[in-house]
Amino acid sequence: DAKTTQPNSMESNEEEPVHLPCNHSTISGTDYIHWYRQLPSQGPEYVIHGLTSNVNNRMASLAIAEDRKSSTLILHRATLRDAAVYYCILRASENTGTASKLTFGTGTRLQVTL
Amino acid sequence: DTGVSQNPRHKITKRGQNVTFRCDPISEHNRLYWYRQTLGQGPEFLTYFQNEAQLEKSRLLSDRFSAERPKGSFSTLEIQRTEQGDSAMYLCASSSGVINQPQHFGDGTRLSIL
Repeated sequence: DAKTTQPNSMESNEEEPVHLPCNHSTISGTDYIHWYRQLPSQGPEYVIHGLTSNVNNRMASLAIAEDRKSSTLILHRATLRDAAVYYCILRASENTGTASKLTFGTGTRLQVTL
Repeated sequence: DTGVSQNPRHKITKRGQNVTFRCDPISEHNRLYWYRQTLGQGPEFLTYFQNEAQLEKSRLLSDRFSAERPKGSFSTLEIQRTEQGDSAMYLCASSSGVINQPQHFGDGTRLSIL
């Protein structure tokens, strides 16, 4: 599985935007970029995913570099409830019909302060 | 949608004992995954079912581990002759059969070996 590189930790002030970077220079053409987050004492929670184009949903936005070698998860207004470990994961396309597992790294621990 | 349910939430046992965990996926999700997570690390893939068929197993799944999904609904993960190194959070996830859809995780079973 292609590897991702994320900062170990980041801090943000509440109600400020947060940009969480991820490098994935060995991404293949059919890998999707997935983001999950894990709050304390909970299982991982899906945030967003994309292939080439930028994506938006109610939780966040995903900005993907033109060469796809990096991406950025954007939380538009961080709240205390956004404090979690954020994982950037490359997931092989399932277009062949075979399910693909998630390969987690150690993620970025986001701290949000008042 | 009641989410993925895992029982028990916590299990404490003595070394050498057998333990069994249960996972109830989101109804109508035909894909079910087991992961293991140790402190400070991201989850690691253990095994995957499509309906009742176990289609992939990680090298992490030693012969002391066995997983079943007899009717394609709930799944069990059994660990025989537990060892100290088995102490971890065991996470279950499910997804629909639609390609490239996210996995939905339960909150895990935390296993502590005395």
